[in-house]
Amino acid sequence: DAGITQSPRHKVTETGTPVTLRCHQTENHRYMYWYRQDPGHGLRLIHYSYGVKDTDKGEVSDGYSVSRSKTEDFLLTLESATSSQTSVYFCAISGEPGSGYTFGSGTRLTVV
Amino acid sequence: GIQVEQSPPDLILQEGANSTLRCNFSDSVNNLQWFHQNPWGQLINLFYIPSGTKQNGRLSATTVATERYSLLYISSSQTTDSGVYFCAVTQNQGGKLIFGQGTELSVKP
Repeated sequence: DAGITQSPRHKVTETGTPVTLRCHQTENHRYMYWYRQDPGHGLRLIHYSYGVKDTDKGEVSDGYSVSRSKTEDFLLTLESATSSQTSVYFCAISGEPGSGYTFGSGTRLTVV
Repeated sequence: GIQVEQSPPDLILQEGANSTLRCNFSDSVNNLQWFHQNPWGQLINLFYIPSGTKQNGRLSATTVATERYSLLYISSSQTTDSGVYFCAVTQNQGGKLIFGQGTELSVKP
């Protein structure tokens, strides 16, 4: 499988606490994405990056911020976690045209 | 924005049966992929197929871009084929991957 790793795999946190999820790739791909998956909503884009320090919002970006200081790392931060952010979070990467998108194994986040 | 519709939403098969899953999209695309989400939640890339036909073992896919649909064909289904199959599209390189709602497949022994 492509070199994409998400950490942590599981996390339980309390409402109001900050949380950072990490996506790490070894493919030197330009594009990186964060999605969340919820029952009844499928996969929805939170934020994406098209290069180092270049990021943009997706369709469900409220309450989330991202950073990309290196090609290989894309961080998703929940500044103050809420119960509505309980979800499974997936990172994806995309490189040259024709290469498609590859997803990480996901992070299951529970906010209590 | 572009709409992606998958059918059927649910499918139950007996092991060994064949099935066809459909994905319709409302506008032209430059990327279409099929994914399988297994019961453990992993999203596995099946095909990158913006047009034409591809085959990989018991699975094959065809996309007719001019008519805005794609088909995923599963032959001789096995219990390990169970899970959710997603179609996803983008309209430009590096753009947002837009997912359909998926087809949930259950293969019974």
